[in-house]
Amino acid sequence: GDSVTQMEGPVTLSEEAFLTINCTYTATGYPSLFWYVQYPGEGLQLLLKATKADDKGSNKGFEATYRKETTSFHLEKGSVQVSDSAVYFCAFGAGSYQLTFGKGTKLSVIP
Amino acid sequence: KAGVTQTPRYLIKTRGQQVTLSCSPISGHRSVSWYQQTPGQGLQFLFEYFSETQRNKGNFPGRFSGRQFSNSRSEMNVSTLELGDSALYLCASSTTGGSSYEQYFGPGTRLTVT
Repeated sequence: GDSVTQMEGPVTLSEEAFLTINCTYTATGYPSLFWYVQYPGEGLQLLLKATKADDKGSNKGFEATYRKETTSFHLEKGSVQVSDSAVYFCAFGAGSYQLTFGKGTKLSVIP
Repeated sequence: KAGVTQTPRYLIKTRGQQVTLSCSPISGHRSVSWYQQTPGQGLQFLFEYFSETQRNKGNFPGRFSGRQFSNSRSEMNVSTLELGDSALYLCASSTTGGSSYEQYFGPGTRLTVT
């Protein structure tokens, strides 16, 4: 069935380190892909999205490219900050009025 | 523009009771979705409404129900609460709810069942 697989966390990085969070999906049809971020005690915030193959979504220094051939949507940031500490969720929407989410990856950035 | 609001933010109930959660979407948004978030199962889709019609429902028992009003506000109800219903319930709104449209989430209602 439809599913999203994210790299297991938690991930701990030093400030200014490079971040990659892997995400692959299994979906019927041609999904739209999203990354959401959840800060402690809050709901989810949309970080970026891509709706077709080779699209690159970007926001606040984060980037992810829609790779249809590998069914992947890996999240990257060149230099993380302490304020980026949060839980990151990969998700897709595939025409059924719902989003399917990965389990989430907790990121901790230390000064 | 005000974001998605959910009330109440926190709730403690006893097994067997029922509960109603409320969600007000972003102004102009007509689609409202509900998700359950737990440490074990992650984020799971409950149901989606558009113009007062349920268009999709997740794999939850019939104790979980919802509705949407003409002003797009939505409520979800859980009857005969079980300990396993303890979770963060998130509401999300979008313009039309199609798969390519982003959903905007509220802060959630934290339900604890004792």
